[in-house]
Amino acid sequence: DADVTQTPRNRITKTGKRIMLECSQTKGHDRMYWYRQDPGLGLRLIYYSFDVKDINKGEISDGYSVSRQAQAKFSLSLESAIPNQTALYFCATSDRALNNGGSSYNEQFFGPGTRLTVL
Amino acid sequence: KNEVEQSPQNLTAQEGEFITINCSYSVGISALHWLQQHPGGGIVSLFMLSSGKKKHGRLIATINIQEKHSSLHITASHPRDSAVYICAVRLFGWYQGAQKLVFGQGTRLTINP
Repeated sequence: DADVTQTPRNRITKTGKRIMLECSQTKGHDRMYWYRQDPGLGLRLIYYSFDVKDINKGEISDGYSVSRQAQAKFSLSLESAIPNQTALYFCATSDRALNNGGSSYNEQFFGPGTRLTVL
Repeated sequence: KNEVEQSPQNLTAQEGEFITINCSYSVGISALHWLQQHPGGGIVSLFMLSSGKKKHGRLIATINIQEKHSSLHITASHPRDSAVYICAVRLFGWYQGAQKLVFGQGTRLTINP
């Protein structure tokens, strides 16, 4: 079974509808992230969460909200979807930081992605 | 100008060729990641490095911190290597352990048989 799962994998919706994308992980990681990917652009961070009680905005959070229901679950909501939110959405997780000479870095593990189309 | 630039954006080669994908960045970093995105969309981490060189099978990643440049090499390329390769840097000095990643736009590699 995949360590990071996303549901749904594909969704087509209409402008103005509320949409929720869900992410679950079995890796036991504290940190979870939501990204969107658009053609020709790199992945951009929407929201991230250090633990259940910690939620932070990323670089493109307008129009989105999130909920960290448990350590293993992190949901992304579009309260009123608009066409320019059509994109591929990825959830990712990472473990607590490892320290090496004062810097910390950890691998991020990505879910399979959700392709969202807003008509 | 993007903080992370990859070149080329698209690369087509014949099976067996040696492949090089480049990544340049303009910010201070604590680590650099190379990721592979399969045609189906899934993303997997290939390498994470902060200095020197790492090798895994036919893949080699190098980084030059002074020049703010990294390369991903594929030896004896194969059609199954066809994918989008993404460079991402982790900014130095951001919240400890929170790992903000800044991504390049990706390089689409196609290996023909």
